[in-house]
Amino acid sequence: SQQGEEDPQALSIQEGENATMNCSYKTSINNLQWYRQNSGRGLVHLILIRSNEREKHSGRLRVTLDTSKKSSSLLITASRAADTASYFCATDVSSGYSTLTFGKGTMLLVSP
Amino acid sequence: DAGVIQSPRHEVTEMGQEVTLRCKPISGHDYLFWYRQTMMRGLELLIYFNNNVPIDDSGMPEDRFSAKMPNASFSTLKIQPSEPRDSAVYFCASSSGLGNTIYFGEGSWLTVV
Repeated sequence: SQQGEEDPQALSIQEGENATMNCSYKTSINNLQWYRQNSGRGLVHLILIRSNEREKHSGRLRVTLDTSKKSSSLLITASRAADTASYFCATDVSSGYSTLTFGKGTMLLVSP
Repeated sequence: DAGVIQSPRHEVTEMGQEVTLRCKPISGHDYLFWYRQTMMRGLELLIYFNNNVPIDDSGMPEDRFSAKMPNASFSTLKIQPSEPRDSAVYFCASSSGLGNTIYFGEGSWLTVV
């Protein structure tokens, strides 16, 4: 089963609005990462937050991490049509040889 | 750096044919990953290599799938014989370490008819 699960599966908003996507996971992690995938392209890394961090910013992106609830959120402020993409969370679990595990993603549509 | 380079970008083949997907990772990255993405199953890890050695191939669906990494700058994913249910986007990715940022190629879009 997926380690990370994004919510909602799809989100439709207007330009200028904020978009919030959530990720829940099951086991202890070293870090959690968010990736974006534009249609027909590969995934692109957005931001990494470590298990001892609670919040991180990068431009219009804000990521929070609550390890007690095993959840993370990605906030995109003042969204633009170019933000239309799928967003994935990926968790680095705290065990031996495991690699990043990706969720199924949130499809974000930003309308002009 | 040019990033992770995959070829071909698109391939349409007939059932039963052999398919070979190719990947050049980012120079200096010790880890190489092969993923498959479908609408139904999302992004699945097929296999990953560390220093050219396969570490975890538990995601490889069947014996029809095989992957090799003969050197640090090249890897192949082969499907023989191909079946329609293999139709998917196959991504190669590389990283400097487990749990570090993963850099993806643009994917190989495979259609088996």
